[in-house]
Order: sequence, then structure tokens, then C-alpha cells
Amino acid sequence: DIQLTQSPSSLSASVGDRVTITCRASRDIDIYLNWYRQRPGKAPNLLINTASNLQSGVPSRFSGSGSGTDFTLTISGLQPEDFATYYCQQSFNSLITFGGGTQVEV
Amino acid sequence: QVQLQESGPGLVKPSGTLSLTCEVSGSSLEKTNWWSWLRQSPGKGLEWIGEVYHTGSTLYNQSLKSRLTIFVDKSKNQFSLKLASVTAADTAVYYCASREQLLPNWFDPWSPGTLVTVSS
Repeated sequence: DIQLTQSPSSLSASVGDRVTITCRASRDIDIYLNWYRQRPGKAPNLLINTASNLQSGVPSRFSGSGSGTDFTLTISGLQPEDFATYYCQQSFNSLITFGGGTQVEV
Repeated sequence: QVQLQESGPGLVKPSGTLSLTCEVSGSSLEKTNWWSWLRQSPGKGLEWIGEVYHTGSTLYNQSLKSRLTIFVDKSKNQFSLKLASVTAADTAVYYCASREQLLPNWFDPWSPGTLVTVSS
């Protein structure tokens, strides 16, 4: 299986901050990496597909970059609804795996 | 717009079989998508369980494969999960979701999620 390691596992931030989350794959996954936001008690919501493509309807403060084994999710100007947990997910391998999550707290 | 809604018992006894169904609306089950099950144990991260294609082909998480069956019912436009010999470790919120068959793909949409508790 392809392992995905997210860092940090949690971070503290304030409204308006710029936040960066990283996801490292155990082997080359090209650009087949997606990012989700999960608010408490809700299902995950797709933010970024294929490493850097903003999903339709997602605010432009979210951006993604990377390829190969190292990927980054950036939130430019944190909003109250962004205090949530973020997950990366690879689809390079048909045996899907997720990162362990990054909790963004006030 | 595709919508997914899971249904099934919220409480299952240890050693029993967990059964859930996901109803698909706004789309045919016969489109070129994988129809997937995922779960999240309390306070934990996301785990992919497995998925089914409309032809009946399946992909399973190796750690659950020996206990798992996922299948489609095209007449009802729904797909289902059966997980046998459950223990407390199978207590989780279960989601159904969909992703396209070909790369690139991602999980969208997701169902709201349903909590299944394994307890006597």
C-alpha cells in the first residue's frame, strides 16, 4: 500500500492566517493526490483534485501544489469555517489510502 | 446532481454481520464509476473499505477482504456492503461515495454518513 504522511497532525491558527499542510507519499504518485476538508460531524468535502485543481465551487483561498512524493495544501486567509480537519488521499494505486489528517484549531 | 444516502441498522451485535445500503439518485449506477464504501472510527481518520463497479467487479481493502462483500442492485439503483464477524473495532461512521473509473479520479459526492455501533 502507498502510505501518506501528513504534517503537522494539528496546528493552531487565527482568522486571516495563511496555513500550509504537507502530505508525503511513500512512493511516486505523480499528481494523483486529492485534498478534503471535514467539518465536525460532517462528511469530507473535496477541495483540490489532482494535486492542484480547485474543485468547482471551492473558494480561491484554497490552493494545492506538488507532484511525485511531496504535496502541499495552502489556505490563504483562514475563515471561521476552515477550522476543521484536512485529509489528503491518493488515487495512483487502486488500493486507496488517506493521510492521517491535520486538525486546524483556533 | 448525484446524491447518495446510506441506510441500515445503527447497532450490530459482536460476531454478527454489518449490512448497509447506499441509494443513488440523480445518476444511473451504470455510469463509469466506482461505487465506494469508507469509514471513520470515532476520533480517527478515514479508511477506504472497498468499492464495486456496475459489472460487479470489486476492489477491497486487503485488511477487510476476508470479511467483506460489496455488490450492486441495478434494479434499485443501489449498492450494498456486508461485513461479517464484526467486533468493537468495526464501530465507525460509514460513508458511501463515488469516484470515476479512469484516472484522474476523486471521491465526490459523499453520503452524509451513518454511525454503526458494534455492541451487545
